[in-house]
Amino acid sequence: EPEVTQTPSHQVTQMGQEVILRCVPISNHLYFYWYRQILGQKVEFLVSFYNNEISEKSEIFDDQFSVERPDGSNFTLKIRSTKLEDSAMYFCASRPLLAGGLEQFFGPGTRLTVL
Amino acid sequence: GESVGLHLPTLSVQEGDNSIINCAYSNSASDYFIWYKQESGKGPQFIIDIRSNMDKRQGQRVTVLLNKTVKHLSLQIAATQPGDSAVYFCAESYNQGGKLIFGQGTELSVKP
Repeated sequence: EPEVTQTPSHQVTQMGQEVILRCVPISNHLYFYWYRQILGQKVEFLVSFYNNEISEKSEIFDDQFSVERPDGSNFTLKIRSTKLEDSAMYFCASRPLLAGGLEQFFGPGTRLTVL
Repeated sequence: GESVGLHLPTLSVQEGDNSIINCAYSNSASDYFIWYKQESGKGPQFIIDIRSNMDKRQGQRVTVLLNKTVKHLSLQIAATQPGDSAVYFCAESYNQGGKLIFGQGTELSVKP
């Protein structure tokens, strides 16, 4: 069964460094999302992406964040200058066109630890 | 200092019993609702969803009920098994397929 994959599974970085989190959505999906989950808390929406542009973003997704779909398969989240409070699990999700269903399929996540 | 995580509501059931997990959603304009299961260290896994034009939907061993009048969603799991132990999140969306707004989550613990 096709699934969303994410790399790395765990990323440790120093405060102020740039990180890139990578995702490979399910191949025929067209809508892509990033969410994050701080330890012990609920999942929070960051950004949605469709047709090579951001369709919606949350207050969390400030100028330090960016997303890109550099080729036909990868979807990346970049944090330019990480802060301690960016430490969280970051989940990528994808879904097909509306006719294919509305459920978003989540990847296993990348645990980001900022020291 | 360290942030303290939210204390999750916990539901403890005996194997074989039925489980009911409840969720209150926030936006009366929400038109799509979904339940996810999250096991420790893993991403949310889709269980079942329902659109606002329905009040009940059944899957394999699971049923979702939607009460728009009181903005309440529930997940019923029949014959609960130890493998059902996880945190269950409800989520809502108000533009069909847009961002999901997650609830706090309920931890289900199944005793063998």
